[in-house]
Amino acid sequence: DGGITQSPKYLFRKEGQNVTLSCEQNLNHDAMYWYRQDPGQGLRLIYYSQIVNDFQKGDIAEGYSVSREKKESFPLTVTSAQKNPTAFYLCASRSRDRGYGYTFGSGTRLTVV
Amino acid sequence: GQNIDQPTEMTATEGAIVQINCTYQTSGFNGLFWYQQHAGEAPTFLSYNVLDGLEEKGRFSSFLSRSKGYSYLLLKELQMKDSASYLCAVRFYSPSGTYKYIFGTGTRLKVLA
Repeated sequence: DGGITQSPKYLFRKEGQNVTLSCEQNLNHDAMYWYRQDPGQGLRLIYYSQIVNDFQKGDIAEGYSVSREKKESFPLTVTSAQKNPTAFYLCASRSRDRGYGYTFGSGTRLTVV
Repeated sequence: GQNIDQPTEMTATEGAIVQINCTYQTSGFNGLFWYQQHAGEAPTFLSYNVLDGLEEKGRFSSFLSRSKGYSYLLLKELQMKDSASYLCAVRFYSPSGTYKYIFGTGTRLKVLA
């Protein structure tokens, strides 16, 4: 079955450390997204990519970086510049059919220790 | 600016009907989505409205009034498994020439036996 795989499910980061969250999809979707979810807030867009080798900053891109070398993969790196990285991170992809919403991965919960 | 409001929490009884409201203020409106999210899991797509009226899908229905900036999600014959957060999201056409999405903070529904 097609879907989005995020790994790991739980991740712990030390202060000053960079970590990379994996996102892989086999839905053949062109567009992929990274969102951050915090308690009491709506999903906030970090980065998105409409096609391979191209990506755009979202609303809260500072302290994050991404790459899109393959259609199936859109990893997110949380750098040491991100001062408050503890959150639930969701990767999503979207069909060109505008009647379909996002398909989300199962999420990665990142905690700074 | 772009804004979405939905109630923070609701409680209902198993077997009952519940209506979750969502109001929005956006320019360039291009569709409204509802997602269900169980605690610690990824959101899953429930419904999509782009024209005024009611869309029905089994026990779930979604209504849209574009002139009022208003939508609701109606859940019938509530089951315990319907206890989850329900996210309202609006897609709009931005001045930069791309489609963007804004998410509400979610309504946490608790179904009681």
